[in-house]
Amino acid sequence: ETGVTQTPRHLVMGMTNKKSLKCEQHLGHNAMYWYKQSAKKPLELMFVYNFKEQTENNSVPSRFSPECPNSSHLFLHLHTLQPEDSALYLCASSQDRMNWVAGHKNNEQFFGPGTRLTVL
Amino acid sequence: GQQLNQSPQSMFIQEGEDVSMNCTSSSIFNTWLWYKQEPGEGPVLLIALYKAGELTSNGRLTAQFGITRKDSFLNISASIPSDVGIYFCAGPGGTYKYIFGTGTRLKVLA
Repeated sequence: ETGVTQTPRHLVMGMTNKKSLKCEQHLGHNAMYWYKQSAKKPLELMFVYNFKEQTENNSVPSRFSPECPNSSHLFLHLHTLQPEDSALYLCASSQDRMNWVAGHKNNEQFFGPGTRLTVL
Repeated sequence: GQQLNQSPQSMFIQEGEDVSMNCTSSSIFNTWLWYKQEPGEGPVLLIALYKAGELTSNGRLTAQFGITRKDSFLNISASIPSDVGIYFCAGPGGTYKYIFGTGTRLKVLA
């Protein structure tokens, strides 16, 4: 496996279900991200992890719970979701967390293929 | 908050035509990234720009970092059917994160 992988690719769940999304990066990066992509809206950053520590929670509802056991793996645990949570969930990684003091190649983010989530 | 405005929102072009799209920001950036997303896949990084005025090519794609540092442009020359997809720009959106434009949806007619 190379790059960033995500499983499952598709998920249908009821509002009372509990499920988890998995992301794995094979790039030796230290920062990982969860994004939500809804139709006709810009990508929305949800969570940022740097060296396994959460550095950003972009006001995400508590029904989404991230977990980063190591720099290569990232999970998003889902429970009691709403139909409006249906979207494509994208994982990304970068060498380091963003450093905007100067543009830097380590800021480049690489995305996985996403999990298409449908909440019934 | 910060916004990235991309235009056009969508384009239908004939195979072989050149394509131009742009992205503007309400604030100054020191980095611009251009991504392409195909149906059912995540965005793929095409070109990264780090310096005002910089012009960078990747095959038939050329991107420029605007002199004002508030805009960037992406050009595709001699389009082919596999260029179809959504093209996103991205730039610094605050500490440790990017913001993304709403995308330009490209369709190429053979």
